[in-house]
Amino acid sequence: EDQVTQSPEALRLQEGESSSLNCSYTVSGLRGLFWYRQDPGKGPEFLFTLYSAGEEKEKERLKATLTKKESFLHITAPKPEDSATYLCAVQAYFSGGYQKVTFGTGTKLQVIP
Amino acid sequence: EAEVAQSPRYKITEKSQAVAFWCDPISGHATLYWYRQILGQGPELLVQFQDESVVDDSQLPKDRFSAERLKGVDSTLKIQPAELGDSAMYLCASSPRGNEQFFGPGTRLTVL
Repeated sequence: EDQVTQSPEALRLQEGESSSLNCSYTVSGLRGLFWYRQDPGKGPEFLFTLYSAGEEKEKERLKATLTKKESFLHITAPKPEDSATYLCAVQAYFSGGYQKVTFGTGTKLQVIP
Repeated sequence: EAEVAQSPRYKITEKSQAVAFWCDPISGHATLYWYRQILGQGPELLVQFQDESVVDDSQLPKDRFSAERLKGVDSTLKIQPAELGDSAMYLCASSPRGNEQFFGPGTRLTVL
């Protein structure tokens, strides 16, 4: 069974204090790994897709990296508006040639001014 | 910018009543997903459509939940009868190629 574990569950940072969020996964036949941002009461917002170990993607203060067993979301000099829950999801092949997506439980990030 | 539409945004119902949620995906997106998200947890896939066909409904409680996407465009998720444990956010998402997903605003269901 595919498993996705995110850590820490919650993270509190001072504005400008850089850190990393972790997503470890166990899946057969990884098709892709996704990062989403979710604000309270809203649907998740797509951030990045990573397909192979060693791949990196960047967007403003966020940088996502991928290894064979985990992914990191690095946040550089965060601002209060970066406060949100960050979700990781893995996509794998299953029967019939379709892909199945499994989400982690998320890391709730709070950035304090 | 194209968005996934969902309605209603909020629904309050009593247990044993029937409820229905509607989703209109981004035009041209063949893959449509329904998720349930309990507060503090990640989204849990209920059903996945490819065009009008169901490709995964293994986590859908079929004794009370049903989903359809008759013309391969918009979709409806129904619960009958609703139970207290069904209180959650119901999210719809669509994908152009079955990879990254674009989510709607969700429907917050409260069962009393």
